[in-house]
Amino acid sequence: GESVGLHLPTLSVQEGDNSIINCAYSNSASDYFIWYKQESGKGPQFIIDIRSNMDKRQGQRVTVLLNKTVKHLSLQIAATQPGDSAVYFCAENENTGNQFYFGTGTSLTVIP
Amino acid sequence: DAGVIQSPRHEVTEMGQEVTLRCKPISGHDYLFWYRQTMMRGLELLIYFNNNVPIDDSGMPEDRFSAKMPNASFSTLKIQPSEPRDSAVYFCASSLAAGAPYEQYFGPGTRLTVT
Repeated sequence: GESVGLHLPTLSVQEGDNSIINCAYSNSASDYFIWYKQESGKGPQFIIDIRSNMDKRQGQRVTVLLNKTVKHLSLQIAATQPGDSAVYFCAENENTGNQFYFGTGTSLTVIP
Repeated sequence: DAGVIQSPRHEVTEMGQEVTLRCKPISGHDYLFWYRQTMMRGLELLIYFNNNVPIDDSGMPEDRFSAKMPNASFSTLKIQPSEPRDSAVYFCASSLAAGAPYEQYFGPGTRLTVT
């Protein structure tokens, strides 16, 4: 049969603007989430995490929001820079499990 | 620490050949994970080890794939015989423990091309 590749969601933003990347997760029992950044030719790198007992967590220029009601996670990047161009993945974990399950990713391109 | 080290970074081989990918986890990390990343399927967990023992290999696609961890500082992922559909980027990751709140540290990956 015909092969169908992943259609990676893409987001293009102007340098200096804020970026919002969204992720829908599937397991209502997931209680820990991580955002990873993957630059071209590199492995995923940890950005920020959040537990399910929180709905917001802030890091340096990044904020993660968690809405458990609709099983939705978002990553906000303030004052986006060209170095932020990458694919961003959310990963979920259930407390009783050892594995993280990764989303398909969103490709962010920052336009100078 | 140098982080997770993988070798080779690129591998090109012909169909039917044996391929061995290598990984050195971060010292002190008790968990090691092997992932495969393709455009078709995204990032997939193949197998993971705890203290050198394979815990879950349900992600290994078929018997052509095997993984070993003879000691705490070395793991291999072997494909024999290789097929063109095995072409992908293979990542090794390690962590202090599994699951929350322990993040996984990924290596740079091995890009495998099977012709």
